[in-house]
Amino acid sequence: GEQVEQLPSILRVQEGSSASINCSYEDSASNYFPWYKQEPGENPKLIIDIRSNMERKQIQELIVLLDKKAKRFSLHITDTQPGDSAMYFCAARANYGNEKITFGAGTKLTIKP
Amino acid sequence: GPKVLQIPSHQIIDMGQMVTLNCDPVSNHLYFYWYKQILGQQMEFLVNFYNGKVMEKSKLFKDQFSVERPDGSYFTLKIQPTALEDSAVYFCASSLLGSSYEQYFGPGTRLTVL
Repeated sequence: GEQVEQLPSILRVQEGSSASINCSYEDSASNYFPWYKQEPGENPKLIIDIRSNMERKQIQELIVLLDKKAKRFSLHITDTQPGDSAMYFCAARANYGNEKITFGAGTKLTIKP
Repeated sequence: GPKVLQIPSHQIIDMGQMVTLNCDPVSNHLYFYWYKQILGQQMEFLVNFYNGKVMEKSKLFKDQFSVERPDGSYFTLKIQPTALEDSAVYFCASSLLGSSYEQYFGPGTRLTVL
């Protein structure tokens, strides 16, 4: 089955700077890559996603990049704010007709004031 | 936005007992999922369910696990009997159609097996 690696596991950045999280996947059939933000005690919430027909997508301060050849994708948060502190999970999903999502191990992001 | 509800939010039981976790999916959604998250780790897929049937299950979905959604009511995960390693947060999710639509996650049920 699909395996998703996510690095780093812990990330601390200064408020206002950028934060980057990198993921890689194994299954070339994966074609949908969502990113989830999870606050303590809360459910994971989709913040941005990218499909395999795109290389870049931006929603406000969130940028995702996808390199299908290298099977890598990344999340970049520009101009970080204290509210960005949370766990972030990358994920991959293939369109086999089964729809399970395979998650990365997560990145704990802390924004230092 | 659409909300998935889960009942209860916390459950503490003794090893060997049965537990049923309840999920109230988004009303017009057709695909349902359970994921397991051990503290500090990622969510891992357990099972997905469509049209009254299990479509796929992972190796984490042991024989002691079962799912059903009788008559369009709650989508349930039953564990019988429970084991210590079943302690985790269980997230239910639902989606409108399987391949192209976002999975909405519930708030989770924290299960503690003593």
